[in-house]
Amino acid sequence: ILNVEQSPQSLHVQEGDSTNFTCSFPSSNFYALHWYRWETAKSPEALFVMTLNGDEKKKGRISATLNTKEGYSYLYIKGSQPEDSATYLCALYFGNEKLTFGTGTRLTIIP
Amino acid sequence: DGGITQSPKYLFRKEGQNVTLSCEQNLNHDAMYWYRQDPGQGLRLIYYSQIVNDFQKGDIAEGYSVSREKKESFPLTVTSAQKNPTAFYLCASYGTPNTGELFFGEGSRLTVL
Repeated sequence: ILNVEQSPQSLHVQEGDSTNFTCSFPSSNFYALHWYRWETAKSPEALFVMTLNGDEKKKGRISATLNTKEGYSYLYIKGSQPEDSATYLCALYFGNEKLTFGTGTRLTIIP
Repeated sequence: DGGITQSPKYLFRKEGQNVTLSCEQNLNHDAMYWYRQDPGQGLRLIYYSQIVNDFQKGDIAEGYSVSREKKESFPLTVTSAQKNPTAFYLCASYGTPNTGELFFGEGSRLTVL
């Protein structure tokens, strides 16, 4: 079973500050890397699906990068807001219709 | 609105009882999945189904059973054989081909007393 690791496990960030966290994995052939945001009492929702080395995606204040050769992806949040509080999940898709998930990073924004 | 509905949200069960968690989707997706979440662990795949009347075991299928009689429905039964059933269960369906983006329900929390 492939290990997808996320760090840190949790972090607290002051409102307005920027932050980032990491998804790391053994370099291997995969079709896509996913980021999901999971707010409390809601469904996880896809943020980004990244497929190519060097991919960069952006949605508002949130962006992500992918480095397949060195086996990591970063998720950045600029100017954190309370609504960014959530658990952020990373997952790898190998084209077999299954995803392998990391343990998640739990982000809390302090007003 | 299109989406995935799981029920019940909370469920309590006595040891030795089977319990069935419901998952319904109106997204017209072929593939559906059941994941389990435990504290400090990533989502782990229990069962998945790529088409009606067919399903495959995931990484932790022991003590669980599923059926896929209709495209819209993928119920999960937690049997008395599951040694540690207290957990949070998420149902999902498969969206865009080639990238595997999942759409999730809001989950069901099962507590065994």
